[in-house]
Amino acid sequence: GDSVTQMEGPVTLSEEAFLTINCTYTATGYPSLFWYVQYPGEGLQLLLKATKADDKGSNKGFEATYRKETTSFHLEKGSVQVSDSAVYFCALLPLSSGSARQLTFGSGTQLTVLP
Amino acid sequence: DAGITQSPRHKVTETGTPVTLRCHQTENHRYMYWYRQDPGHGLRLIHYSYGVKDTDKGEVSDGYSVSRSKTEDFLLTLESATSSQTSVYFCAIGHSSGNTIYFGEGSWLTVV
Repeated sequence: GDSVTQMEGPVTLSEEAFLTINCTYTATGYPSLFWYVQYPGEGLQLLLKATKADDKGSNKGFEATYRKETTSFHLEKGSVQVSDSAVYFCALLPLSSGSARQLTFGSGTQLTVLP
Repeated sequence: DAGITQSPRHKVTETGTPVTLRCHQTENHRYMYWYRQDPGHGLRLIHYSYGVKDTDKGEVSDGYSVSRSKTEDFLLTLESATSSQTSVYFCAIGHSSGNTIYFGEGSWLTVV
């Protein structure tokens, strides 16, 4: 079945540091890939997505590129801020239509950014 | 704002009582989902729906039932709540032709 393996946390960085959170997946075909962010006490917000190979999703300074050859979708940001402190989830949605459109999540990575 | 409202947002209930959580959407999306989130387990799918009266079980469906009598509402029922069902419950919606799933703000349930 489908699976997502995400970089173990927690991750602690200083403000303005470079961020990478690794995500690799196993799936048949060409799933859509997502990064969601969850701030304390809140729900999951869609951060960015990519729907086909070599697509780059970007939002709020975060980027991730859909790499079919390495089955990866690593999240990056060039300069993190204290306000980026949150839990980040990588997820995939299979290509299939009909009833089987379910997200598969990674375990989440807690990011703390220190001033 | 993805047009998803969960209610109640916070609830404390006693073991053995029935509890119903409601998810309401204003987007007319086909797919609706209920997840629970627990420390050390991430997000786990409880039940989902792919249309009115069309539902199916997810990974952790035991002790839960769902109903979807109209497009905009998806109800999650705990027939007899147990302490192991203390969790944060998230509703999500997805369009049939789209590639994105949006989440509600969560319902915090404590079973004492």
